Amino acid sequence: GQQLNQSPQSMFIQEGEDVSMNCTSSSIFNTWLWYKQDPGEGPVLLIALYKAGELTSNGRLTAQFGITRKDSFLNISASIPSDVGIYFCAGPVFDSGGGADGLTFGKGTHLIIQP
Amino acid sequence: DSGVTQTPKHLITATGQRVTLRCSPRSGDLSVYWYQQSLDQGLQFLIQYYNGEERAKGNILERFSAQQFPDLHSELNLSSLELGDSALYFCASSRSSTYGYTFGSGTRLTVV
Repeated sequence: GQQLNQSPQSMFIQEGEDVSMNCTSSSIFNTWLWYKQDPGEGPVLLIALYKAGELTSNGRLTAQFGITRKDSFLNISASIPSDVGIYFCAGPVFDSGGGADGLTFGKGTHLIIQP
Repeated sequence: DSGVTQTPKHLITATGQRVTLRCSPRSGDLSVYWYQQSLDQGLQFLIQYYNGEERAKGNILERFSAQQFPDLHSELNLSSLELGDSALYFCASSRSSTYGYTFGSGTRLTVV
C-alpha cells in the first residue's frame, strides 16, 4: 500500500528556532494534510494542500505540496513551547475503483523544545 | 473540545473479552471514521461509515466490527481481544467525504 515516510523521527530544538520536517512517498498523492497530536488528544488538522506546488500558511506554520506530488514539507517559524507534540503528514488512499479508503498517515515527527 | 465525543476514555479488559467503543460525531457530520494508533504501527485506518452505511474498509481485523446508527453515532466492537489489540482507538468525523477530519480524544484500550 501507499506509505508515507516522515523525517526526522524526532527533533530537539531550542525555543525560538525554526523547524523544518518533511514527508515523502513512492506514490503520487493528490492531497497532503498535516496534523498535530498533543499528548492524550486526537490529531488536529493544521494545513491541507490540494495542488502541486501549493504553498499554504497558517500563522507560524507553512506547508508546501511538492511539485512531483510525492512529497510535502512543513515549516514552523520561531517555535514556542506549545508547538511540542507529534506532527503527522497524511494523504488519502484510494481503492481500485477510485473510492476513498481513508487516510494513510506517516509515523510522525516528535518535536521537543528545550527551554 | 473538538465536537467529536468518544467514550469511554480508558478501558482495561482481559484477553478473550469483547468491548464496545462509542463515538458521537460533530453535529452535522455524516461520515465517521475509526482509526487505531499503536506505537509500532502508527495511525491505521480501520473503517468508514457514511450516513449509516459502510463506505470503506481498511486494516480492520475480522474480530472487529462497527456500525453507524440512525442518529449517526457509531460503535466499534472488538471481540476475542488479544494483548496486541492494546492501543488508542480514535473516531473522526467529517461533513462529507472530505479529508479535513475532526478527531475525538480517543479511547485507550489496555488488554491484560
